[in-house]
Amino acid sequence: DTGVSQDPRHKITKRGQNVTFRCDPISEHNRLYWYRQTLGQGPEFLTYFQNEAQLEKSRLLSDRFSAERPKGSFSTLEIQRTEQGDSAMYLCASRHLAGGLQQFFGPGTRLTVL
Amino acid sequence: DQQVKQNSPSLSVQEGRISILNCDYTNSMFDYFLWYKKYPAEGPTFLISISSIKDKNEDGRFTVFLNKSAKHLSLHIVPSQPGDSAVYFCAASEAGKSTFGDGTTLTVKP
Repeated sequence: DTGVSQDPRHKITKRGQNVTFRCDPISEHNRLYWYRQTLGQGPEFLTYFQNEAQLEKSRLLSDRFSAERPKGSFSTLEIQRTEQGDSAMYLCASRHLAGGLQQFFGPGTRLTVL
Repeated sequence: DQQVKQNSPSLSVQEGRISILNCDYTNSMFDYFLWYKKYPAEGPTFLISISSIKDKNEDGRFTVFLNKSAKHLSLHIVPSQPGDSAVYFCAASEAGKSTFGDGTTLTVKP
């Protein structure tokens, strides 16, 4: 069990550019979550998948954000036309439905939009 | 409208003493509560949880108490150790989806 991994760990981009992050969950975990965390705040829910199906997306999430989990394994989160307000830590977590409700988090991708 | 609140941004305790971290929630539909611990440059890691049908759960030095009528839970760490210094997040779950508080930074002084 190698844990949840995220790539890249850090991303610096210019305003208006598109960025894509990848998350590899723990093998056989069927639920995968994306969160955004800014300084001094807790993880804020963005979206989650059960296998390849995206079950919920935060109402606060701009349509510039899209996520996929095409084969029910890894997931990608894309942000189009980035804005300075998108600067944050993006966390991915996974869990197995048959396990407890605790989620296993990756180390996060820190995005800085200049 | 923040549904999960941790009103103390920071807490400092002496090694060996008890640490008490508090969390309040507003949504009565939450059915499960969890505490996570976070070190710098790492993602949160699960610490302990409690179902809404219970009022106490204990795991070694960590105990979580739930007061449903007050919509309040607390995490007790006894005895506190310097390695416990971290940010602690309270999370409340509804239908498998968790809402997090803003965290409390615990510092345990040797």
